[in-house]
Amino acid sequence: AQRVTQPEKLLSVFKGAPVELKCNYSYSGSPELFWYVQYSRQRLQLLLRHISRESIKGFTADLNKGETSFHLKKPFAQEEDSAMYYCATNNAGNMLTFGGGTRLMVKP
Amino acid sequence: EADIYQTPRYLVIGTGKKITLECSQTMGHDKMYWYQQDPGMELHLIHYSYGVNSTEKGDLSSESTVSRIRTEHFPLTLESARPSHTSQYLCASSARGNTEAFFGQGTRLTVV
Repeated sequence: AQRVTQPEKLLSVFKGAPVELKCNYSYSGSPELFWYVQYSRQRLQLLLRHISRESIKGFTADLNKGETSFHLKKPFAQEEDSAMYYCATNNAGNMLTFGGGTRLMVKP
Repeated sequence: EADIYQTPRYLVIGTGKKITLECSQTMGHDKMYWYQQDPGMELHLIHYSYGVNSTEKGDLSSESTVSRIRTEHFPLTLESARPSHTSQYLCASSARGNTEAFFGQGTRLTVV
């Protein structure tokens, strides 16, 4: 069965510092990977997907098949980036499996 | 406006009661899902549907049941609520062939 692991429950950084949220996956096929974000009092929403290879709100994520990782990075964190971040992958039935989530806190 | 709606947002109910959590979407999506989320924890898929009259159980075993009589409606029912059912329930939908899921606001259920 596929599995997504986010080793950090909480990540706290200062404004302007680089941030990296870790995600590792186990999947036998060719996975499609996503990062979802949930800001305070808002619904869960898609942040980015690896096939798009785009930068959203300054965030990027690179799929590393050798390390089975899909870490989310941003060079300079902003206070408005504070949120819960979930890494997710699909399975053969195109159903999303989510990791445990990482709470990012950006301090002023 | 195309959206996905969940009602109620909050529900406190006594043990043994029957409850139905409502989920409706006006996005024209074929696929719909229910996830269970405990605070700061993983989202676990408990039910999904590919379309009308299609329902499947997800990765996490759940005592709840679902139905999909209409494309836009995917209610979740608990016949006899227990304190162990206390959680947040998220409904989501996606278009056929597209894995990106759109989520509702969620229903926070407390069983006392």
